[in-house]
Amino acid sequence: QVQLVQSGAEVKKPGASVKVSCKVSGYTLAKLSMHWVRQAPGEGLEWMGGFDRVHGEAVFADMFQGRVTVTDDTSTDTSYMELSSLRSEDTAVYYCATDWDQGYDAFDIWGQGTMVTVSS
Amino acid sequence: DFQLTQSPSSLSASVGDRVTITCRASQRIPHYVNWYQQSPGKAPRLLMFGASILQKGVPGRFTGSGSGTEFTLNITNLQPEDFATYFCQRSFSTPRTFGGGTKVEIK
Repeated sequence: QVQLVQSGAEVKKPGASVKVSCKVSGYTLAKLSMHWVRQAPGEGLEWMGGFDRVHGEAVFADMFQGRVTVTDDTSTDTSYMELSSLRSEDTAVYYCATDWDQGYDAFDIWGQGTMVTVSS
Repeated sequence: DFQLTQSPSSLSASVGDRVTITCRASQRIPHYVNWYQQSPGKAPRLLMFGASILQKGVPGRFTGSGSGTEFTLNITNLQPEDFATYFCQRSFSTPRTFGGGTKVEIK
């Protein structure tokens, strides 16, 4: 069974950047399209972007264009999401998620989440 | 901008009830709609994909339907573990938008 294990909680100051990692175990990152979803406290799910392996391109929600970078290190089966120019509204739990088993681009495997707090 | 609007945003129900959650798309989309369940403090769990295909391990009391711009998730014989928040999402298009969520609470 594939698992996604994310890095630990982060506290950052406004204007800084944060880099969250997501390590794949039990499978190969090179065969997965990894996406990133965030959830602010008490709010809903927000798709940020990810790497669409079928089309070989990174895709992002408009609101994150230019501020988020996703990279895959297939040698270590680890995906990274970096968000820059942090502001208080970026305080959220950040999840990595992927379509492993059904081929419908639905997220059947999720990481445990990484809490990112942005505070001065 | 593409949007998925869920209704209701919350509902109260009792164990054994049937509930229906609706997800409306701002434009016609293929049947690539997914449904997730999220309990407090946990990562979301995939329930349904392709609008009506049950994910492995999900009980059959969950059913999905719909096409075009309107999709529904039905839960029959509501169980205590079903009190959670439910989200719809579209696949295979950017952005992979989520609906705003429907919180199912105990009456």
